[in-house]
Amino acid sequence: GAGVSQTPSNKVTEKGKYVELRCDPISGHTALYWYRQSLGQGPEFLIYFQGTGAADDSGLPNDRFFAVRPEGSVSTLKIQRTERGDSAVYLCASSLVVDETQYFGPGTRLLVL
Amino acid sequence: AQKVTQAQTEISVVEKEDVTLDCVYETRDTTYYLFWYKQPPSGELVFLIRRNSFDEQNEISGRYSWNFQKSTSSFNFTITASQVVDSAVYFCALSYNGNKLVFGAGTILRVKS
Repeated sequence: GAGVSQTPSNKVTEKGKYVELRCDPISGHTALYWYRQSLGQGPEFLIYFQGTGAADDSGLPNDRFFAVRPEGSVSTLKIQRTERGDSAVYLCASSLVVDETQYFGPGTRLLVL
Repeated sequence: AQKVTQAQTEISVVEKEDVTLDCVYETRDTTYYLFWYKQPPSGELVFLIRRNSFDEQNEISGRYSWNFQKSTSSFNFTITASQVVDSAVYFCALSYNGNKLVFGAGTILRVKS
């Protein structure tokens, strides 16, 4: 079956611009997670959804970052007023339910110039 | 606080050698899960194994084996008869509260032919 998909695969933007990153989870998975991976480091948790609601957003670095999952399936991570420090790979994962194994997508490489 | 330490930044071996990747974790929770993921050059995180804190049985899957020891808070991963295709970054991770994963910094494994 289809795995987690993320679009775009690469995104180049200028400092100060707004970007949206999309994640399409595995069909039937109710939990969805966002992580950020900087070069040479392990992924860091940002936020997770159980259904439509954000159950834990403690990893979002500041109020420029926001994520939604309006219909309990596809999720969008939104970054306002991008900064060069936001450059990283943004990874999305999904699991059948919370507390089950998370399966990851290929990631979106964001470069802020 | 939860923490995962992978002390080996990079390991190089020659094909057919056995190699062990170390993982030490810290948590105050009595219920938690431990994971290993593989990240090949393509970048996608591939799930390898999930182990809950109440199951200390070692596990073997083909050339892969895992040794979980609660007494030393370690969850080590051994690849037997390594192959070039095993070259990747390997991440150990800890899950608590049933959701977010805390990753180690990863170990780069290079298998030379």
